[in-house]
Amino acid sequence: ELKVEQNPLFLSMQEGKNYTIYCNYSTTSDRLYWYRQDPGKSLESLFVLLSNGAVKQEGRLMASLDTKARLSTLHITAAVHDLSATYFCAGRGGGSNYKLTFGKGTLLTVNP
Amino acid sequence: DGGITQSPKYLFRKEGQNVTLSCEQNLNHDAMYWYRQDPGQGLRLIYYSQIVNDFQKGDIAEGYSVSREKKESFPLTVTSAQKNPTAFYLCASSAAGDGYTFGSGTRLTVV
Repeated sequence: ELKVEQNPLFLSMQEGKNYTIYCNYSTTSDRLYWYRQDPGKSLESLFVLLSNGAVKQEGRLMASLDTKARLSTLHITAAVHDLSATYFCAGRGGGSNYKLTFGKGTLLTVNP
Repeated sequence: DGGITQSPKYLFRKEGQNVTLSCEQNLNHDAMYWYRQDPGQGLRLIYYSQIVNDFQKGDIAEGYSVSREKKESFPLTVTSAQKNPTAFYLCASSAAGDGYTFGSGTRLTVV
């Protein structure tokens, strides 16, 4: 059974600083997703990572995947207040099992 | 526009009452899912269906029931057996596990 752990669960950072959110998963996951959620809202898809060494970037966010270490990272560069949200990673079990298993989320607060 | 629609946005349930949350998609996706979100718990899978007339329990199915009579629809019933139903419920769909689309959610409160 796939388990996904994120850390940190809470992250308070200053504008302009860099930081990384880590996502570890327990067994083989054939793809890894990152989502953003604003308070009271649905999930917004950020990245899907399909293979070892995959790296994707969008604006100040960059996600990577190391399948050997069973680790994905979401790196924030020069944070701005608009990035304040909760970020989730989720893994898919693989094969014909399409269900996603989510981490508990990282609540990111970017302070001026 | 294709998408996934959840209704209602807010729902209030009295003690001992069953309530049904609606989820409809026009994306022609085979698979549909129901997740529950509590503060600090992330999203937990309640039920999922990969094909019409078939569904499987997720991690927290007790107190919930679903049906999948049409490809487009996957309603979730929160029964009186669910003792702590206050939460945010999210429905999602996917085509063969690619490109998950989430609805806007239903916030259920017990009164």
